[in-house]
Amino acid sequence: NAGVTQTPKFQVLKTGQSMTLQCAQDMNHNSMYWYRQDPGMGLRLIYYSASEGTTDKGEVPNGYNVSRLNKREFSLRLESAAPSQTSVYFCASSVSSPGGEQYFGPGTRLTVT
Amino acid sequence: AQKITQTQPGMFVQEKEAVTLDCTYDTSDPSYGLFWYKQPSSGEMIFLIYQGSYDQQNATEGRYSLNFQKARKSANLVISASQLGDSAMYFCAMREVPEGYQKVTFGTGTKLQVIP
Repeated sequence: NAGVTQTPKFQVLKTGQSMTLQCAQDMNHNSMYWYRQDPGMGLRLIYYSASEGTTDKGEVPNGYNVSRLNKREFSLRLESAAPSQTSVYFCASSVSSPGGEQYFGPGTRLTVT
Repeated sequence: AQKITQTQPGMFVQEKEAVTLDCTYDTSDPSYGLFWYKQPSSGEMIFLIYQGSYDQQNATEGRYSLNFQKARKSANLVISASQLGDSAMYFCAMREVPEGYQKVTFGTGTKLQVIP
């Protein structure tokens, strides 16, 4: 099993460019998440999806959109990248229960110049 | 207010010694879950241990144990017999019921360095 996969691993964008980060899981999890990690800030939730067809905003959703394409895939789109979006982005998935630990992808390191 | 607070940005521990990483949380809901994750320098996030709010016993997983003090709203991670491979960032996280179990909030992390 691959677990949670993310593409790309690295990306450099110019201000104003757009891109989509892809995430897929093969564990049949209902819940999927997008986080960003900045130094000293821990992980902050951008968006999450409780099930196929549903998405909800997290703590820092501005400047991002998401799509839960099917149960396996959850993508994150930056429509007009800004330097403040330079970060490491993690996708995660879990079962929908109180004790469901999250499984994380390897992360995407994004730099916006 | 911060939902998860980790007050130790960095800690050192001697190899083979035990170390406690602090975590306090803030919630008004009686049902929630607490997690600890490890992030080595390679960047991946690794689940370590889980404690449910109704669990009577402190959770343990090998060398990891969670010192859960519900009245004080603390969920400290104890690592026994530290190893060099324990050097990493450690994050405390909480999943709350009112959010439908979906929202998981992380603390800012503690960087642990194990000294030979």
